[in-house]
Amino acid sequence: EIVLTQSPGTLSLSPGERATLSCRASQSVRDNYLAWYQQKPGQGPRLLIYAASSRATGVPDRFSGSGSGTDFTLTISSLEPEDFAVYSCQQYGASPTFGQGTKVEIK
Amino acid sequence: QVQLVESGGGVVQPGRSLRLSCAASGFIFSNYGMHWVRQAPGKGLEWLAVVSYGGKTQYYADSVKGRFTISRDNSKNTMYLQINSLRDEDSATYYCAKEPYTYTSDWYWDYWGQGTLVTVSS
Repeated sequence: EIVLTQSPGTLSLSPGERATLSCRASQSVRDNYLAWYQQKPGQGPRLLIYAASSRATGVPDRFSGSGSGTDFTLTISSLEPEDFAVYSCQQYGASPTFGQGTKVEIK
Repeated sequence: QVQLVESGGGVVQPGRSLRLSCAASGFIFSNYGMHWVRQAPGKGLEWLAVVSYGGKTQYYADSVKGRFTISRDNSKNTMYLQINSLRDEDSATYYCAKEPYTYTSDWYWDYWGQGTLVTVSS
């Protein structure tokens, strides 16, 4: 099983600031099959990024994904009020697994 | 628009069984693989199972193999998850999720339901 470790656990930032979230895999993710999701309380996850760097339909361009192999990053260039949420990475190069999530909270 | 609505959750005693449903609309249900994913309170997401677009193929996470059964009825645009011998650790919100492309098996998900809460308690 591929274990995904996200850091930091919590990120305290102000609107307008840049957010950088990390996701590290215990082994190389085949074909960089890594996705990022946003989740707000009481809601199902929302797909943001797939294949490490491709934005899903309708996702604002302030969200970007990068990385390869075992190290991946989600960047939010300038936080909007609606971006404060929990973000999870997921690999689908093998039997799917998720990271434990990073909470982006208002400072 | 795509909608996935889960139902069937509730409070259940340990050892009992439960069947969850996922009603789909807004897309051609029979063209897409469908999955169940759960999230225990305060924990991360956990993939559980997939059923192929035609319903003939199923795969399970090792943690639930033998106790969980995924199925679908394309005539009703509905997917199911049968959970047997419920345990305390099965307490979670259960989500159904849709694959992004037709007739393929890319195991990430472009639409999710709101989830149904299962609480295992005596």
